[in-house]
Amino acid sequence: DVKVTQSSRYLVKRTGEKVFLECVQDMDHENMFWYRQDPGLGLRLIYFSYDVKMKEKGDIPEGYSVSREKKERFSLILESASTNQTSMYLCASTVPHAVIYGYTFGSGTRLTVV
Amino acid sequence: AQTVTQSQPEMSVQEAETVTLSCTYDTSENNYYLFWYKQPPSRQMILVIRQEAYKQQNATENRFSVNFQKAAKSFSLKISDSQLGDTAMYFCAFMKPITQGGSEKLVFGKGTKLTVNP
Repeated sequence: DVKVTQSSRYLVKRTGEKVFLECVQDMDHENMFWYRQDPGLGLRLIYFSYDVKMKEKGDIPEGYSVSREKKERFSLILESASTNQTSMYLCASTVPHAVIYGYTFGSGTRLTVV
Repeated sequence: AQTVTQSQPEMSVQEAETVTLSCTYDTSENNYYLFWYKQPPSRQMILVIRQEAYKQQNATENRFSVNFQKAAKSFSLKISDSQLGDTAMYFCAFMKPITQGGSEKLVFGKGTKLTVNP
């Protein structure tokens, strides 16, 4: 089975801290994504990457950055965490031009910023 | 830009009954894909069913089926013989295929919380 693993299920951080959310996939997928999920807002795309060291902004990139040094790992970085970044974060991956397969998702990281 | 609208924030159904979740979308594309994802309390997003826009036949996966109306830009999900394990958030999503480099992106609706009651 394809696996997308997010390193933390729950995370509590303080305002102003630098936060790293890690995501690793084991199926050699080129494309990886970070979404934010909030009640009543659904899933919103933060950043995505379609190759190592390549990244593109999604719909809500402000306050976030990403890193993809290796194909299997895609990190989301909160440079200075704020309380409005308290949310559920979902990572996903897929093979390019394989639309029919949709995405494979991780189990999410619920981040609380206090 | 594409948008996906789920007009029912919450729904409930009795076990063994049938329920239909609504989804509409807005696009100027002719070729695209539509998906329904399920997110149970475990938080793992699971692909329930998918539909290619160029196919007129509605997709079916066991107890799950869709009613795809391309002209009306409607993509509803019908769950037959509802089970307690169907309790989850359901997300409708849209994807436009690309032919060159980059990545297809899923655009999600806001979700419908479905509760199946015993």
